[in-house]
Amino acid sequence: DVKVTQSSRYLVKRTGEKVFLECVQDMDHENMFWYRQDPGLGLRLIYFSYDVKMKEKGDIPEGYSVSREKKERFSLILESASTNQTSMYLCASSFRGEGSPLHFGNGTRLTVT
Amino acid sequence: AQSVTQPDIHITVSEGASLELRCNYSYGATPYLFWYVQSPGQGLQLLLKYFSGDTLVQGIKGFEAEFKRSQSSFNLRKPSVHWSDAAEYFCTAGGTSYGKLTFGQGTILTVHP
Repeated sequence: DVKVTQSSRYLVKRTGEKVFLECVQDMDHENMFWYRQDPGLGLRLIYFSYDVKMKEKGDIPEGYSVSREKKERFSLILESASTNQTSMYLCASSFRGEGSPLHFGNGTRLTVT
Repeated sequence: AQSVTQPDIHITVSEGASLELRCNYSYGATPYLFWYVQSPGQGLQLLLKYFSGDTLVQGIKGFEAEFKRSQSSFNLRKPSVHWSDAAEYFCTAGGTSYGKLTFGQGTILTVHP
């Protein structure tokens, strides 16, 4: 079974802090994604990566950056956390082929106070 | 713009009753279509997917979905709901090899005993 592991289930950070969310997958997937989930809004794509050191903006990249130095690891960075970034963050991965389904981690619930 | 709409935010059914969750998409061409389920505190799990061919697709946990091109719909059905089906359900669509998916807002299913 594909395993996508997010390093933290819950995080509490202060406004202005730099925050790192880590995600590791064990299936040699080329694509990795960071989504944000908010009630009533579904999942919104923040950034994705289709190869090592490659990244593309999603629908809501403002206030975020990402890093993919190794194929299995994709990090989401909040340069200066703000209260409106309080949310559930979901990491996912998939093979490169068209229509490949996404495999999700269990999520990190981030609270910024 | 590409979009996925789930008209029902919250549905309540009795255990043993049939279920239909609605999904409509707007895409330039027929996209790849997926249904995911999210149990409380968990990541998203793939229920089923449609790429082409037979318009009725079977998934896990007794779910099925029917693709109707004329209505741009991909509704999820189950003939008899179990209490363990209580969760949030997401319809998603994608069309590129990068695996980017557009998510609906989600439908929360409550099951009464």
